[in-house]
Amino acid sequence: AQSVTQPDIHITVSEGASLELRCNYSYGATPYLFWYVQSPGQGLQLLLKYFSGDTLVQGIKGFEAEFKRSQSSFNLRKPSVHWSDAAEYFCAVSRNYGQNFVFGPGTRLSVLP
Amino acid sequence: DVKVTQSSRYLVKRTGEKVFLECVQDMDHENMFWYRQDPGLGLRLIYFSYDVKMKEKGDIPEGYSVSREKKERFSLILESASTNQTSMYLCASSFQGSGYTFGSGTRLTVV
Repeated sequence: AQSVTQPDIHITVSEGASLELRCNYSYGATPYLFWYVQSPGQGLQLLLKYFSGDTLVQGIKGFEAEFKRSQSSFNLRKPSVHWSDAAEYFCAVSRNYGQNFVFGPGTRLSVLP
Repeated sequence: DVKVTQSSRYLVKRTGEKVFLECVQDMDHENMFWYRQDPGLGLRLIYFSYDVKMKEKGDIPEGYSVSREKKERFSLILESASTNQTSMYLCASSFQGSGYTFGSGTRLTVV
């Protein structure tokens, strides 16, 4: 069965600092991988996705993620965090093209001024 | 952009009431999903649908049912609401290769 782990429940960074949110998945074949962001009281917004090809994918709001098959990881990065990035971030994996997602438990990001 | 609209942002219902949560998407997506989100438990899939009049159980279907009479609308029904169904409910839609597009959520409180 597929599973997704996000080892960090809560991360706090200073504004302007770099960010890396970790995501590890368990799946037998090449998965389809996604990162979503959820602002308080809102639904989830897609940041980026990986289906195939270049293992470094660019998303919205200056985020990027790198797929590392050998480590079963899909970590999310941003070089300089803004206060508006404070939110909850979810990694998700799907085995069949955008259906039947499995979500990680989420990482809450706080940003210090 | 695809829009997924959930009819209510906040709902308060009484125990035992029949509750309808409505979700409408405007981009002809085949797939629609209902999740509930609870602190510490993440997102859990309740039901999903790949086509009109089709439905599949997710991980936690007990106490819920769904209806999909038209492609754009996917309704979640709580047959007899209970306090343990107090939660944030999220609807999503997708088509092949798109990833999910989520609605803004409905926060349901059952008293």
